[in-house]
Amino acid sequence: GDSVTQMEGPVTLSEEAFLTINCTYTATGYPSLFWYVQYPGEGLQLLLKATKADDKGSNKGFEATYRKETTSFHLEKGSVQVSDSAVYFCALRGLGAQKLVFGQGTRLTINP
Amino acid sequence: NAGVTQTPKFQVLKTGQSMTLQCAQDMNHEYMSWYRQDPGMGLRLIHYSVGAGITDQGEVPNGYNVSRSTTEDFPLRLLSAAPSQTSVYFCASSPVRTGGGETQYFGPGTRLLVL
Repeated sequence: GDSVTQMEGPVTLSEEAFLTINCTYTATGYPSLFWYVQYPGEGLQLLLKATKADDKGSNKGFEATYRKETTSFHLEKGSVQVSDSAVYFCALRGLGAQKLVFGQGTRLTINP
Repeated sequence: NAGVTQTPKFQVLKTGQSMTLQCAQDMNHEYMSWYRQDPGMGLRLIHYSVGAGITDQGEVPNGYNVSRSTTEDFPLRLLSAAPSQTSVYFCASSPVRTGGGETQYFGPGTRLLVL
């Protein structure tokens, strides 16, 4: 079945550092790909998404590119802030499906 | 719009007790779902519904029941709580369309502790 694998956390960075959180997936066909963010004590919010190969999703300085050839959707940000501290989830929705399949989440802590 | 609301925010149960976690959305979304979040395991789908009167099982349905009598509400029932059901529960909703990129909107969560 469909699955998502994220890089192990936790990840700790200093403010203004470059961020990459790796995400790879296994799915048949062309799934839609998502990054969700969960701030402390809150529910999940959509951060960005991409629905076809080579699409780039972007929001709040974060970017991720849908790479069909490597089945990846890595999350990047050029300069992180303390306010980016959160748990980040990569997810996919299979073609024709309604259900989301989530990775295990990556906890990110940014130190000033 | 209130979006997706969940009650209660926090609940403590004793083993064997029953309870219902409430979920409501005011966006007229056909699709609603329940997830549980456990450390190191991401979110796992419990049950979902693609419209009133239609429900189906997700990845971890055992010990949970659902019903969908209206578009707005999707309660999750624990008939006999067990310590293994200690978790944070999230309800989510989205429109049902064929494009695949529809955003799922999440509620704030219910933290459940079963003693």
